[in-house]
Amino acid sequence: EVQLVESGGGLVQPGGSLRLSCAASGFTFSTFRMHWVRQAPGKGLVWVSLISSDGKTTNYADSVKGRFTISRDNAKNTVFLQMNSLGAEDTAVYYCARDYNGLGYWGQGTLVTVSS
Amino acid sequence: QSALTQPRSVSESPGQSVAISCTGTSSDVGAYDYVSWYQQHPGKAPKVMIYDVTKRPSGVPDRFSGSKSGNTASLTISGLQAEDEADYYCCSWAGNSLAFGGGTKLTVL
Repeated sequence: EVQLVESGGGLVQPGGSLRLSCAASGFTFSTFRMHWVRQAPGKGLVWVSLISSDGKTTNYADSVKGRFTISRDNAKNTVFLQMNSLGAEDTAVYYCARDYNGLGYWGQGTLVTVSS
Repeated sequence: QSALTQPRSVSESPGQSVAISCTGTSSDVGAYDYVSWYQQHPGKAPKVMIYDVTKRPSGVPDRFSGSKSGNTASLTISGLQAEDEADYYCCSWAGNSLAFGGGTKLTVL
């Protein structure tokens, strides 16, 4: 069974940093591109970042470029999102998703709250 | 990186059909046959209902169908059921990123 489990969310002060993790199981992780998608409270889905299966290609939404870094460890079946210089506008549930047949599998999400 | 345009809300009676539009540009929806649709119930993760414009994942009822014409994609749900009431999001590949629509709240009256 495919499973994606996010962790690392929490309350952080403006200007702070947080590192999210997404642990994958039930499939050959190293063969799939992965994405992070976020959803602010009461708002819609917004794409954040993607990483190729081998980790060599990454892309970012303009709103996070230069502040967020996506990476993966295929040996540990985990994708990461390092978030720096966080602001209130980054408050959201962050989902990781597997890219196959659309975003065919999603995690349950982890909540990031940026507040003083 | 611009969001795709969807109606904020649609409503219809059980048993009827409803179509949700998703308008993009020649750089996203119009350029690629990689439009997908997601259903999201409150407090839950999104679930893919349609991918590659018209394809339905296993387990998704054939009441759900997708199409595209030019820069506009559509999700049609026929034989509406109470459990179809949810938020629906379109998504398109945009060259080196994904673009989501703002979401449509479907109410089954």
